[in-house]
Order: sequence, then structure tokens, then C-alpha cells
Amino acid sequence: DTGVSQDPRHKITKRGQNVTFRCDPISEHNRLYWYRQTLGQGPEFLTYFQNEAQLEKSRLLSDRFSAERPKGSFSTLEIQRTEQGDSAMYLCASSLSTGNNSPLHFGNGTRLTVT
Amino acid sequence: AQSVAQPEDQVNVAEGNPLTVKCTYSVSGNPYLFWYVQYPNRGLQFLLKYITGDNLVKGSYGFEAEFNKSQTSFHLKKPSALVSDSALYFCAVRADTGRRALTFGSGTRLQVQP
Repeated sequence: DTGVSQDPRHKITKRGQNVTFRCDPISEHNRLYWYRQTLGQGPEFLTYFQNEAQLEKSRLLSDRFSAERPKGSFSTLEIQRTEQGDSAMYLCASSLSTGNNSPLHFGNGTRLTVT
Repeated sequence: AQSVAQPEDQVNVAEGNPLTVKCTYSVSGNPYLFWYVQYPNRGLQFLLKYITGDNLVKGSYGFEAEFNKSQTSFHLKKPSALVSDSALYFCAVRADTGRRALTFGSGTRLQVQP
């Protein structure tokens, strides 16, 4: 179990640029989640995949945000035309689908700074 | 809608003393409740969960939590705090039906003094 891996750890970008983050879940986990965390707040849900199907999307996920999980393994989160308000820690988590309450395993996150 | 309140931004406790980190929730239906811990520059780690059954659940590192349905609370406890327990603690909830996404509280920083 190598854990959930996120890349990059840090990203600094200028306003208006596009950024893409990658998440590699634990290999046998078929559920994958994206959350966003700002300073002093708890993680906020963005979206959730079961295998390659995107099953839930938060209203936080504006049309500038898109997530994919094309082969049901790794996932990417793209933010287009970044804004300063997008600066946050982006967390990926994965879990098993056996039972309804397998705990989430989180990666260390990608910290985005938009200047 | 579902929500979590962690009324204390920070809890200070002396090493060896018992600790409590408070959490109350609101959810439609039966709650599934979780505690996670976050150390600096690390991802969140699962501590324990309540799904059904005994109101007192035991988890990792000697932590336990008590589910109280009438008070809609799920407080985290430990009989004897360690300096290494100092971290950020998050309570989370989801309903037993409907959306799978967990809703997290804003977190409580636990500081254990030697």
C-alpha cells in the first residue's frame, strides 16, 4: 500500500493560466474523491468518481473546473483561467466500494497559489 | 443539507490529562460520523467512525468517540493526552442514504503541553 499520491505538491501560477493536478489512488480502490481546503477551514467536497464514472459534483465545481478519471485509475483535476480565489490545497482521497462506509484515504494534497 | 460544527478552534490540554474535542452535526436521516486527524504538511488520516451499534467507538492511537443521538453530538475523547497528539482534528458526517460526499467541520487544533 503506497498510499494516495498527488502531483505536484506545490503549484504557483499566474491568474488566467490553466493548471492540471494528478491523483493516483491506492491501487485496489475504485472510488476517488476531490476536495478543496482553504486555510482555517475543513475540506470541501468537489467531486467523486466510482471507477471512471463521475457520480457527484458539488456546486463549488464551476465550469472552469473539470475532473476526469478515464480508465478508472488515476484522476486529473483541471482548472481553467485560474483566479486568485482558486488558491487552496486540493486534496484527493480514495476508498473501497465494499460496504458504504469504507474510510477515505487522503493524499498529501497539491497546494495551488494563484498570483 | 448536512453540516458539522466544531465549536472550539483550539483545545489546550496538559500531557497525561484527558482530552475532549467537540463535534455536533445536522443531517437528514441516520448519520455516519467520522473523525480525521491532520498533521502539518500531511494528508488527513482516518481515526474512527460511527455507523451503527454501540454509541462508544474506539479508534486509532487510543482515541474514542461517543455518539449521542439526542444531542446530535460525536465528541472525540482520549483518557490521557500525549504531546504527539497535537494536530488538527476534523469531524465529518454523511447521511445513510443519498449523497456519498462527506461534509467536514472547520477543524479543532489540539495543543498538548508537556
